[in-house]
Amino acid sequence: NAGVMQNPRHLVRRRGQEARLRCSPMKGHSHVYWYRQLPEEGLKFMVYLQKENIIDESGMPKERFSAEFPKEGPSILRIQQVVRGDSAAYFCASTQPGDYGYTFGSGTRLTVV
Amino acid sequence: SQELEQSPQSLIVQEGKNLTINCTSSKTLYGLYWYKQKYGEGLIFLMMLQKGGEEKSHEKITAKLDEKKQQSSLHITASQPSHAGIYLCGAENTGGFKTIFGAGTRLFVKA
Repeated sequence: NAGVMQNPRHLVRRRGQEARLRCSPMKGHSHVYWYRQLPEEGLKFMVYLQKENIIDESGMPKERFSAEFPKEGPSILRIQQVVRGDSAAYFCASTQPGDYGYTFGSGTRLTVV
Repeated sequence: SQELEQSPQSLIVQEGKNLTINCTSSKTLYGLYWYKQKYGEGLIFLMMLQKGGEEKSHEKITAKLDEKKQQSSLHITASQPSHAGIYLCGAENTGGFKTIFGAGTRLFVKA
């Protein structure tokens, strides 16, 4: 069981480019969560998805950020026209109904230059 | 909205010493999680507490939830370098499905 797989581990983008972060949940998990961790800060919730549905996106910035979890394939967090303030570690976690706690991926560290 | 405050923010201890990390919630806790994050890596689930007065242990780490269910403590006995990392408490957000997290406590263990 490979756990939650995130790629890439590190991503460098120039201001104005698009960043695509991928997350493959743990086998059998149908719930995916995205969190952002800014330097020296805690984890901030961004979005909660189930297959083909966004359940809670209350933590997502209104502009430039979007997320999806298609029927087939990984969950994608997309950031358009990145700015320096988007530099952070982005973590994906998965779970299934009845589970206690999340299984986290190792994160994608986005650096905007 | 619910907020979690962790103390201390950072901690440096000598190997072999005991330590305690606290997590205080602004609202009643219905599920309190403790995670450990190694520097530069993802989070690892340690344990979950639900009932007032509940206490759980995992190896040399013990977590407790107070009777009023608004504060939890994490205690490490005889700390080792492998205990170093960031400890985060998380709580189920009332009315939602997501977990909110405290800012974390950074633990450094000196050999």
